[in-house]
Amino acid sequence: GAGVSQSPSNKVTEKGKDVELRCDPISGHTALYWYRQSLGQGLEFLIYFQGNSAPDKSGLPSDRFSAERTGGSVSTLTIQRTQQEDSAVYLCASSLVAGVGNTIYFGEGSWLTVV
Amino acid sequence: KQEVTQIPAALSVPEGENLVLNCSFTDSAIYNLQWFRQDPGKGLTSLLLIQSSQREQTSGRLNASLDKSSGRSTLYIAASQPGDSATYLCAVNRGNNDMRFGAGTRLTVKP
Repeated sequence: GAGVSQSPSNKVTEKGKDVELRCDPISGHTALYWYRQSLGQGLEFLIYFQGNSAPDKSGLPSDRFSAERTGGSVSTLTIQRTQQEDSAVYLCASSLVAGVGNTIYFGEGSWLTVV
Repeated sequence: KQEVTQIPAALSVPEGENLVLNCSFTDSAIYNLQWFRQDPGKGLTSLLLIQSSQREQTSGRLNASLDKSSGRSTLYIAASQPGDSATYLCAVNRGNNDMRFGAGTRLTVKP
């Protein structure tokens, strides 16, 4: 597609429920990133995929968070047993390759509210 | 640990004014620095990318500078317009996925 596509754009869920957020990166981009942005905060790195390499999960805040990337393209971020502090915008980004000179392109985010 | 700070957190200026947004980082071992724009309810749009070997980049009315040794970058916006109103974020890249963002400066340009 023309840009990074994320769905759903908005999600309201009850505390304790599981949620899945989807990211469709720009075609041909091998690097895919998930970030979280809480109100008034900077972006917090969550997880990174590069090609077929094992993902860097070092930013995931707890074992309730997981992500996968199927076929090197679409990625799903799953949050189990959601808590109110999980409420944030979850932003996905992709770049041509992971590297020092490549521009990173962001989707419009999935706004998650846990009530 | 790399910390990125943006000052001011919010800025309001009249249309036509030139302005400077500041970004500071604690670890000078970076590969590049990017400035992004974020409109309300939207994702981030890359504005300028400065490689560590560069001192500045220009695009239209925007000019970004980088001083690695002092851990500082500035984004200069000339002749500001109401359409420039947005949140501006800087991000430092230490390589691969290690990209750290500031909390942003929320800019309002009044007509």
